[in-house]
Amino acid sequence: DTEVTQTPKHLVMGMTNKKSLKCEQHMGHRAMYWYKQKAKKPPELMFVYSYEKLSINESVPSRFSPECPNSSLLNLHLHALQPEDSALYLCASSPGQGGGGYTFGSGTRLTVV
Amino acid sequence: QQPVQSPQAVILREGEDAVINCSSSKALYSVHWYRQKHGEAPVFLMILLKGGEQKGHEKISASFNEKKQQSSLYLTASQLSYSGTYFCGTEGWNNNDMRFGAGTRLTVKP
Repeated sequence: DTEVTQTPKHLVMGMTNKKSLKCEQHMGHRAMYWYKQKAKKPPELMFVYSYEKLSINESVPSRFSPECPNSSLLNLHLHALQPEDSALYLCASSPGQGGGGYTFGSGTRLTVV
Repeated sequence: QQPVQSPQAVILREGEDAVINCSSSKALYSVHWYRQKHGEAPVFLMILLKGGEQKGHEKISASFNEKKQQSSLYLTASQLSYSGTYFCGTEGWNNNDMRFGAGTRLTVKP
């Protein structure tokens, strides 16, 4: 079983749509993350939710907004996206700083048309 | 701040060795290593902590030079399954997040 589950696996949305990406971890980890990955590039950190505190990469536009309903769920709300936002969105969880590796979900492949 | 990785790409024959390097201009709390195959998510290989602790689950070795803020990943007697893109990730002292290097594309040929 995948210990970090992301849904949906694929999403196509128009620039006026509102959608959400969902992530759930079953590992008891205290930190969760959203990364964005373009083809042949490394994952770029977007948001960190750690010990009930949200940290934001300041370069992320406001059309992306995270939500953490509880310690095992992390959602990413999308609205008014641009075609350049098309990418693989990866969710990850970890035990916390230095506590071990990050476990990634299989990702959501997002296409903005 | 993104760590610097080298080389960008490596091509090996089965059984050959490779070294991938990662460095940072900032003081590091930990260095992570991940492998990502095409169309898949990154998979954790190893974490190295300041003070020499090492946590991982595969038979791949790594080192962390705390004075130079550098880490190296050692792949010995490479197998076809080692092919993929290797990323180092670094955590600083004051934040609970990880930034990835640009990646090293490793190709192992028969």
